Amino acid sequence: EAGVAQSPRYKIIEKRQSVAFWCNPISGHATLYWYQQILGQGPKLLIQFQNNGVVDDSQLPKDRFSAERLKGVDSTLKIQPAKLEDSAVYLCASSRWEVSQYFGPGTRLLVL
Amino acid sequence: DAKTTQPPSMDCAEGRAANLPCNHSTISGNEYVYWYRQIHSQGPQYIIHGLKNNETNEMASLIITEDRKSSTLILPHATLRDTAVYYCIVRVEGSYIPTFGRGTSLIVHP
Repeated sequence: EAGVAQSPRYKIIEKRQSVAFWCNPISGHATLYWYQQILGQGPKLLIQFQNNGVVDDSQLPKDRFSAERLKGVDSTLKIQPAKLEDSAVYLCASSRWEVSQYFGPGTRLLVL
Repeated sequence: DAKTTQPPSMDCAEGRAANLPCNHSTISGNEYVYWYRQIHSQGPQYIIHGLKNNETNEMASLIITEDRKSSTLILPHATLRDTAVYYCIVRVEGSYIPTFGRGTSLIVHP
């Protein structure tokens, strides 16, 4: 079974620029999550999708972050405009049942 | 969501048992104890979970005290590849994890 795929693996941008991350979940997993992990901290949930509907986005900074999951499969997380404090690893996870979340390798973002 | 307390770091000799403690004194009756680990540059990986009985799988054992206020994750024969950050989380089964906390950084040395 292929794992959760994410791209790009690394991204360096300047503040106020825009950036987008892509995630392809494990086939058949209806639930998809985006987490933000700042250096030295544990991952924090940004948004959860069930198929193509949003279940929870209470911790998503909606003034600059947006996410979509078209057709209930792939998902894109966008930051526009980026701030220095957005430097982090952005992890995508998927699950068939929420207890068994499978994580991708993450995208490391550095905002200069 | 600070429902658990873990030591920030621990170390263990290769081949010995690694015992990682977790305090969860405010755990509710329907909340499970979950353990994940995160190896450097990878996403978190599920290890094990339990409600009140001790659990064992191919990766580790989970010992939960009778009052359920604390638990210990045991890696019976630690290897260098077990060096990682270990997260202890209490959640209702089937619910998602909003935040992982800081976890315990385990270093296994030769």
